[in-house]
Amino acid sequence: ELKVEQNPLFLSMQEGKNYTIYCNYSTTSDRLYWYRQDPGKSLESLFVLLSNGAVKQEGRLMASLDTKARLSTLHITAAVHDLSATYFCAVDEAAGAQKLVFGQGTRLTINP
Amino acid sequence: SQTIHQWPATLVQPVGSPLSLECTVEGTSNPNLYWYRQAAGRGLQLLFYSIGIDQISSEVPQNLSASRPQDRQFILSSKKLLLSDSGFYLCAWRKLPILYGYTFGSGTRLTVV
Repeated sequence: ELKVEQNPLFLSMQEGKNYTIYCNYSTTSDRLYWYRQDPGKSLESLFVLLSNGAVKQEGRLMASLDTKARLSTLHITAAVHDLSATYFCAVDEAAGAQKLVFGQGTRLTINP
Repeated sequence: SQTIHQWPATLVQPVGSPLSLECTVEGTSNPNLYWYRQAAGRGLQLLFYSIGIDQISSEVPQNLSASRPQDRQFILSSKKLLLSDSGFYLCAWRKLPILYGYTFGSGTRLTVV
């Protein structure tokens, strides 16, 4: 059974600082997704990572995938308040029905 | 363009009442469709997924059911709601090619009272 674990689950940081959210998963997969969720809202797609060594960047966020280590990271550079949200990683079961299994989410709060 | 619609946005229902949530996708054919539930402050739990009309798989035992009467329509139902059914219900579909990932609807916030 595919399991996805994120850490930390809660993160409070100051504006201007850098930090990394980690996402580990338990079975072989080369498809990993990062989403953002604002309070009371649906999920917004941030990154789609489809191969080992994939790296994608959008503004102050950068995501990478290491399929051999079964690890993805979401790095935040020089955080700003607008990045406060809950971030989820999810892994696609490549075989079978191809369904997304989510991590627990990381609630990120960025303080001025 | 490819879009996903989900309704209603908010619903308050008494315990024991029936439920019907609808999700439709436009601009594509034969999509994979999914229902997820998010309890307050929690992660997302996959409830049902469908790879085609009348092809539905259940991920967890519960008093909910799903149906797919048309290619681009996915319905979540219950005959009698429980308090524990409260949550945020999200419909999703998988875009092709896979590099576009999965797209989620705007969600339905269900409160069972």
